[in-house]
Amino acid sequence: AQTVTQSQPEMSVQEAETVTLSCTYDTSESNYYLFWYKQPPSRQMILVIRQEAYKQQNATENRFSVNFQKAAKSFSLKISDSQLGDTAMYFCASLSAGGYQKVTFGIGTKLQVIP
Amino acid sequence: GAVVSQHPSRVICKSGTSVKIECRSLDFQATTMFWYRQFPKKSLMLMATSNEGSKATYEQGVEKDKFLINHASLTLSTLTVTSAHPEDSSFYICSAPSRPGGFTYNEQFFGPGTRLTVL
Repeated sequence: AQTVTQSQPEMSVQEAETVTLSCTYDTSESNYYLFWYKQPPSRQMILVIRQEAYKQQNATENRFSVNFQKAAKSFSLKISDSQLGDTAMYFCASLSAGGYQKVTFGIGTKLQVIP
Repeated sequence: GAVVSQHPSRVICKSGTSVKIECRSLDFQATTMFWYRQFPKKSLMLMATSNEGSKATYEQGVEKDKFLINHASLTLSTLTVTSAHPEDSSFYICSAPSRPGGFTYNEQFFGPGTRLTVL
């Protein structure tokens, strides 16, 4: 079984500043994938960034990057140059590379970008 | 990317009635779809896995007779909340996997969700 833990229920950041959201996970799988999803007030789940566990290089997508520490089972999300549109719930999630495609979500971090 | 739609986006019903929610993969086929329930300010809770042409697989604690799932085609799964009660009021989200080109896994594409309110 996989578990995903997000220990920051709420965070805030000034516009244009940088913020880091924390996530730890636990899995018995040897290969898996990790994700950060964004859920804005519209409630539509949007994939922000993905990381394949077998890749050592941290994933980057424009202003979003991750710090993937496999040994520590840590997967934090860094948002640079925060924008008002980044205000949303952020969910860390994991997916086993095996045949079963269930995604396990953390409880989420509510991020507020302050103008 | 792949698109998943849900219908209706909002539904209000009286207690005791049944409500059907549709989830469609618009530009790809999905032999498997997932149904989630999300309470206010909470995470997504997986309710069941919908399997095309066979029975759905329910997560522990989810009532099969309350939440009927039918996956009749490769692009459509339906969730029927039977004899709905106020405690069934929630936000229901479906997802379907599709494998983007060059990836080794199936990425989940989410529908926009359905807000159910039971009076």
